[in-house]
Amino acid sequence: GENVEQHPSTLSVQEGDSAVIKCTYSDSASNYFPWYKQELGKGPQLIIDIRSNVGEKKDQRIAVTLNKTAKHFSLHITETQPEDSAVYFCALTSPPGNTPLVFGKGTRLSVIA
Amino acid sequence: EAQVTQNPRYLITVTGKKLTVTCSQNMNHEYMSWYRQDPGLGLRQIYYSMNVEVTDKGDVPEGYKVSRKEKRNFPLILESPSPNQTSLYFCASSLGGSGTSYNEQFFGPGTRLTVL
Repeated sequence: GENVEQHPSTLSVQEGDSAVIKCTYSDSASNYFPWYKQELGKGPQLIIDIRSNVGEKKDQRIAVTLNKTAKHFSLHITETQPEDSAVYFCALTSPPGNTPLVFGKGTRLSVIA
Repeated sequence: EAQVTQNPRYLITVTGKKLTVTCSQNMNHEYMSWYRQDPGLGLRQIYYSMNVEVTDKGDVPEGYKVSRKEKRNFPLILESPSPNQTSLYFCASSLGGSGTSYNEQFFGPGTRLTVL
């Protein structure tokens, strides 16, 4: 099945700096790319997603970019705050409609105040 | 409140003793799924269900069973648990399948299972 590589596995940034997490994939048919945030003791929660017909999507301090040619997509968090500290998972899926989501292994982000 | 609930939240059991982890959602979602989360391995799908009476294997189904007799419930059954099934388990639901327009998966709070 499809595989998605996520890097880095851990990331520490100073409060106010930016954080970038990157995921690469191999199946060019992949068409949906969500990002989930998992806070300590909770289940993952969708924070942003992008579809294959769009190159970039932004929601306040977070943005996702997609490069279909190079087969990678990235999560960008600007002006990081301590509450951004969490584990972030990228995921993707491919047609047909019943194909399950495939998750990356996660990135533990620590924002240092 | 729209939510996915799981019970129990924590469970310690012994090898071979059958157990069931319940999952229920109140959002009338068609799609439900079970994942296990292990350090360094991320989230791996165990089983999923597109609708009532329709279930399918995910990436790591061995040692697990599921059933979908009602739309809101999707229990995970371990007939004979073994120590390698010690993990953090998440149930999730979404309006439609992962490849449809209704993609967002809502996760439960997790069940931490320890098999001795």
